[in-house]
Amino acid sequence: EAGVAQSPRYKIIEKRQSVAFWCNPISGHATLYWYQQILGQGPKLLIQFQNNGVVDDSQLPKDRFSAERLKGVDSTLKIQPAKLEDSAVYLCASSLFGASTNEKLFFGSGTQLSVL
Amino acid sequence: EDQVTQSPEALRLQEGESSSLNCSYTVSGLRGLFWYRQDPGKGPEFLFTLYSAGEEKEKERLKATLTKKESFLHITAPKPEDSATYLCAPMFSGGYNKLIFGAGTRLAVHP
Repeated sequence: EAGVAQSPRYKIIEKRQSVAFWCNPISGHATLYWYQQILGQGPKLLIQFQNNGVVDDSQLPKDRFSAERLKGVDSTLKIQPAKLEDSAVYLCASSLFGASTNEKLFFGSGTQLSVL
Repeated sequence: EDQVTQSPEALRLQEGESSSLNCSYTVSGLRGLFWYRQDPGKGPEFLFTLYSAGEEKEKERLKATLTKKESFLHITAPKPEDSATYLCAPMFSGGYNKLIFGAGTRLAVHP
């Protein structure tokens, strides 16, 4: 079974530039999550989709971050403009059913973003 | 406020030296508690889910237990390949199920 795919693996940009990350969840998984993991911290949820609808985006800095899930499958997360404090690993995860269940999440390997 | 604290932050063990990692939490409406393992440069990998106080689950050298306020991950006779960061994540009900991840315990097992 193929896992959660993310690209790019690494990205280095200067502050005020824009960047986009891509995620392809496990086939058939209804729920997709984007997490931000700053060095030394646990993952923090940015946004959660169920199919192509947003379940939770309460911790997404909406003045600079945006995300979409096309046709309920792939997803992109964009930062525009980036700040130094956005340097982190951006993890995508998926789960089979909806947000009302307590099932496990499957994570991708993440995109490591460095903002200079 | 829902919080989760893991201790210690880092732990160094000799191969074969058993120990325990702690995860304490204050969440309302606990729906379950997850343990994940994270290797450097990779995403977290699922280990266990515990649902109620008194529950225990085992996998190879790892055993997870749950009380009403905390969870323990016991590592028996660890090997170098057990070196990783171990994350706990209580799930609570806030309209829908939400996870809060702790900062993790970085475990290093030396031969």
